[in-house]
Amino acid sequence: AQSVSQHNHHVILSEAASLELGCNYSYGGTVNLFWYVQYPGQHLQLLLKYFSGDPLVKGIKGFEAEFIKSKFSFNLRKPSVQWSDTAEYFCAVRDTGFQKLVFGTGTRLLVSP
Amino acid sequence: DTEVTQTPKHLVMGMTNKKSLKCEQHMGHRAMYWYKQKAKKPPELMFVYSYEKLSINESVPSRFSPECPNSSLLNLHLHALQPEDSALYLCASSLSHGETQYFGPGTRLLVL
Repeated sequence: AQSVSQHNHHVILSEAASLELGCNYSYGGTVNLFWYVQYPGQHLQLLLKYFSGDPLVKGIKGFEAEFIKSKFSFNLRKPSVQWSDTAEYFCAVRDTGFQKLVFGTGTRLLVSP
Repeated sequence: DTEVTQTPKHLVMGMTNKKSLKCEQHMGHRAMYWYKQKAKKPPELMFVYSYEKLSINESVPSRFSPECPNSSLLNLHLHALQPEDSALYLCASSLSHGETQYFGPGTRLLVL
């Protein structure tokens, strides 16, 4: 069965710091990759996704992620975080065979002003 | 209309009650999903409906009964729940099964 690992459970940054959140998955077949964000008291929102093509994908609010197939990774990055980026971030992977979306355990990001 | 709506926002029920959660979307999506999210945990898939037919049941106990009366609506009927069923229940939809999923705000359920 596929699994998704997010090694950073909690991250605390100051505003303007750079962000990189790790995501690794265990599945050898073709996958679709997603990052979702859950702001406090709000519902899950799609940040960005990768299906195929350019492995560097850009999402909303200045986020980007890079798919490295050889490392089974899909790390999320932002060059300069803002206080409003405080949220929980979930990496999710769907294998194109079973079509089930599996979420990582999430990373809670706190950005201090 | 580009959102998934869920009602009610909050629900408190006893272990002998029968209640239903409702999910609605008007984006023309033909796949709809129920997830369960416990506190500080990721969402876990419960059910998938594709073209109003149940296509995935992730071994969910029978006290949870999904229903998809039409392409825009998804219900989750609850009966004889346990306190450990208390969680946030999320609905999602996608254009078809396998496409990007869009989530509703969830129903926060407390079982006493």
